[in-house]
Amino acid sequence: DAKTTQPPSMDCAEGRAANLPCNHSTISGNEYVYWYRQIHSQGPQYIIHGLKNNETNEMASLIITEDRKSSTLILPHATLRDTAVYYCIVRVDHQGGKLIFGQGTELSVKP
Amino acid sequence: KAGVTQTPRYLIKTRGQQVTLSCSPISGHRSVSWYQQTPGQGLQFLFEYFSETQRNKGNFPGRFSGRQFSNSRSEMNVSTLELGDSALYLCASSLTDGNTEAFFGQGTRLTVV
Repeated sequence: DAKTTQPPSMDCAEGRAANLPCNHSTISGNEYVYWYRQIHSQGPQYIIHGLKNNETNEMASLIITEDRKSSTLILPHATLRDTAVYYCIVRVDHQGGKLIFGQGTELSVKP
Repeated sequence: KAGVTQTPRYLIKTRGQQVTLSCSPISGHRSVSWYQQTPGQGLQFLFEYFSETQRNKGNFPGRFSGRQFSNSRSEMNVSTLELGDSALYLCASSLTDGNTEAFFGQGTRLTVV
């Protein structure tokens, strides 16, 4: 699995967009980019995933660069409840449930 | 729909004992994975079961084992507990082995004294 690099921590003002970067320069063609988050003392929660096209759902948007070496998770209007550790994971399809978590980015949303 | 259920939520065991943790996946999900989370090592993959067969295994000693039943419920067992086994153990279920999201339970907090 390709390695990912994320900043250890970020701050964001409530109501503003939170942009969380992830570097995955060694990603291969069949690897997807997944984002999960973990709110304190809870199990991780799936946010979004994509291969090469930008993706959007009710929680967030995922922007993947054309060369696929990096991506950005965007929370359009961050709230205090978005304070969590965000994990960027790359994995191949049909790999089952195995997820390799890095250290993630601790996002603090401040009022 | 009901989420992933892990029991018990909290557990205290003595060094040298063994422990069994249980995970009930979301109805219809056939893949169950287990993870260990500690402050020092973060979230680490233990193993995955699909249709009662272990399909993937992480880098943990043989003291850690698991199984899956025909109804997809899964158990993991840790024998000869060590202090370092104190951790949050998380279970995740997913629909198939394809490109699907994993749903995590709330975890079992194991403390070894």
